[in-house]
Amino acid sequence: DAGVIQSPRHEVTEMGQEVTLRCKPISGHDYLFWYRQTMMRGLELLIYFNNNVPIDDSGMPEDRFSAKMPNASFSTLKIQPSEPRDSAVYFCASRPSGYRDTQYFGPGTRLTVL
Amino acid sequence: GESVGLHLPTLSVQEGDNSIINCAYSNSASDYFIWYKQESGKGPQFIIDIRSNMDKRQGQRVTVLLNKTVKHLSLQIAATQPGDSAVYFCAENFGSNDYKLSFGAGTTVTVRA
Repeated sequence: DAGVIQSPRHEVTEMGQEVTLRCKPISGHDYLFWYRQTMMRGLELLIYFNNNVPIDDSGMPEDRFSAKMPNASFSTLKIQPSEPRDSAVYFCASRPSGYRDTQYFGPGTRLTVL
Repeated sequence: GESVGLHLPTLSVQEGDNSIINCAYSNSASDYFIWYKQESGKGPQFIIDIRSNMDKRQGQRVTVLLNKTVKHLSLQIAATQPGDSAVYFCAENFGSNDYKLSFGAGTTVTVRA
């Protein structure tokens, strides 16, 4: 199994630009999570999906952030417009539907907004 | 608010010695705990988990201990190796019907040769 795949691995953009991060979960996993990691705030959950449906988006910082999961093998996290304070490492994780199964993380996307 | 926190932000250990990483949690409803390891430039990697109906669980060179009385979790690494250098996070799940994990701040472990 290839594990969770994220792209791009690094993204540098200018303030005000739209940024789209992509994630392919592990095949057969029903849950998909988006996290943001910074030195100041640690690892924060932004949103998670179950069977492609958003379940909890309470961690999404503001309306500039949006996430979609059009099918079981693909999800996007979009920031529009981006701001320097959005600079962070964004992780996608997936897990199967078994009770208390652990989450498996992708390698992350390091986003820098200038 | 309730959170998962770590007692020590950094730990330096001699190669071959045993490491102990501690974690405090405050939510008495938490019933599932996971330890993750994060190496530089990589995503968190699952190490071991434990459910609240257990107080000890062993894996390969790792042992997790859970003390529900004092809400304390620890990860013990036997015969620490250079490859164990990483940031270690504990995470808790707050209870049934909640698939979210709450992560602690992390402990940086550095192995001295």
